[in-house]
Amino acid sequence: AQSVTQPDIHITVSEGASLELRCNYSYGATPYLFWYVQSPGQGLQLLLKYFSGDTLVQGIKGFEAEFKRSQSSFNLRKPSVHWSDAAEYFCAVALNTGFQKLVFGTGTRLLVSP
Amino acid sequence: DAGVTQSPTHLIKTRGQQVTLRCSPKSGHDTVSWYQQALGQGPQFIFQYYEEEERQRGNFPDRFSGHQFPNYSSELNVNALLLGDSALYLCASSSAREAPTDTQYFGPGTRLTVL
Repeated sequence: AQSVTQPDIHITVSEGASLELRCNYSYGATPYLFWYVQSPGQGLQLLLKYFSGDTLVQGIKGFEAEFKRSQSSFNLRKPSVHWSDAAEYFCAVALNTGFQKLVFGTGTRLLVSP
Repeated sequence: DAGVTQSPTHLIKTRGQQVTLRCSPKSGHDTVSWYQQALGQGPQFIFQYYEEEERQRGNFPDRFSGHQFPNYSSELNVNALLLGDSALYLCASSSAREAPTDTQYFGPGTRLTVL
């Protein structure tokens, strides 16, 4: 069965510093890959997605992610973190079949210090 | 353009009761998926509805059932509630025309507390 691992439960980053959130997946083929963000009490907002093609994907709010097939990873990055980025971040994968069923990681909570 | 909406926002029930949660998809979307997010966990797939039929189901018992209406809105029903059913229930909508590269858009969720 496919699975997603986000090894960092919490990460604290100073405002203005760079950020990298890790995501590894286990699946026999290349799945579709997603990053979602969840603010407290809110639903999930899509940051970016990878289906095929260029392995460096640009998303909203200045985020980007890089798909590395050899490492089964899809890490999320941002060059300069803002206090408003504090939230829970979820990596998800989906089978590239006729319809999507998302499998999520357990999430990484980002704290931004002044 | 209204996004995905869910009602109610919060709900408190007692063990053994039944609950119905509602979801209206984003305009133009015809597919609705439901997820359960327990505290401190990532969302888990419950099932997906398309053309008023359940298309795929996750590892949830038959106490969890759903329905999709002709206007694409959907309901999630949970019978014989257990304490462990306390969670945030998320609805996501997408467009079958864009499958398999469709994107799921999530609503704000319904927080269910079972006492």
